Amino acid sequence: GENVEQHPSTLSVQEGDSAVIKCTYSDSASNYFPWYKQELGKGPQLIIDIRSNVGEKKDQRIAVTLNKTAKHFSLHITETQPEDSAVYFCAASWAGANNLFFGTGTRLTVIP
Amino acid sequence: KAGVTQTPRYLIKTRGQQVTLSCSPISGHRSVSWYQQTPGQGLQFLFEYFSETQRNKGNFPGRFSGRQFSNSRSEMNVSTLELGDSALYLCASSLGAETEAFFGQGTRLTVV
Repeated sequence: GENVEQHPSTLSVQEGDSAVIKCTYSDSASNYFPWYKQELGKGPQLIIDIRSNVGEKKDQRIAVTLNKTAKHFSLHITETQPEDSAVYFCAASWAGANNLFFGTGTRLTVIP
Repeated sequence: KAGVTQTPRYLIKTRGQQVTLSCSPISGHRSVSWYQQTPGQGLQFLFEYFSETQRNKGNFPGRFSGRQFSNSRSEMNVSTLELGDSALYLCASSLGAETEAFFGQGTRLTVV
């Protein structure tokens, strides 16, 4: 099955700085790569996703890059704000959005 | 538009009992997936239902089962509960494999 590794497990940045979270996956058949943000007491919330026919996708301060050859993808958050503090999960799937294999999560803390 | 609704939010059960959790997807969504989230194992896929049929299944014992009704609402059942079944159980819904999955807030199950 698919194995997704995520680094780092914790990340602290100053407000206004950028944050980068990296993931690798093992199954070359995977073609869908979403990123979720989970706040305390809540379910994961989709923040951005990318499919394998695209190398990069951007949505305001958030961007995701995908390198299918190397089997890795990354989340970039620019101009971080305190409300970006949360746990972020990457995921990969060969069966679309309904069968996701998750990374172990990154706890991001943005220091005001 | 209402989000994914999971009931109950919290549940305490005794070892050996069984439990049923409920998930109401976003209106119009036909796919429902279930995940188990624990500090040790992270987010793990349990199973996915689409139009009342189980399409995918994760690597969990047969004590974990589910079903989906004609209105797309889904239930999951865990029989003969073990202490290790204590977790946050999350449900996600989507229109289909090619669209995003949206998570509910989860049901926190504690087995004592």
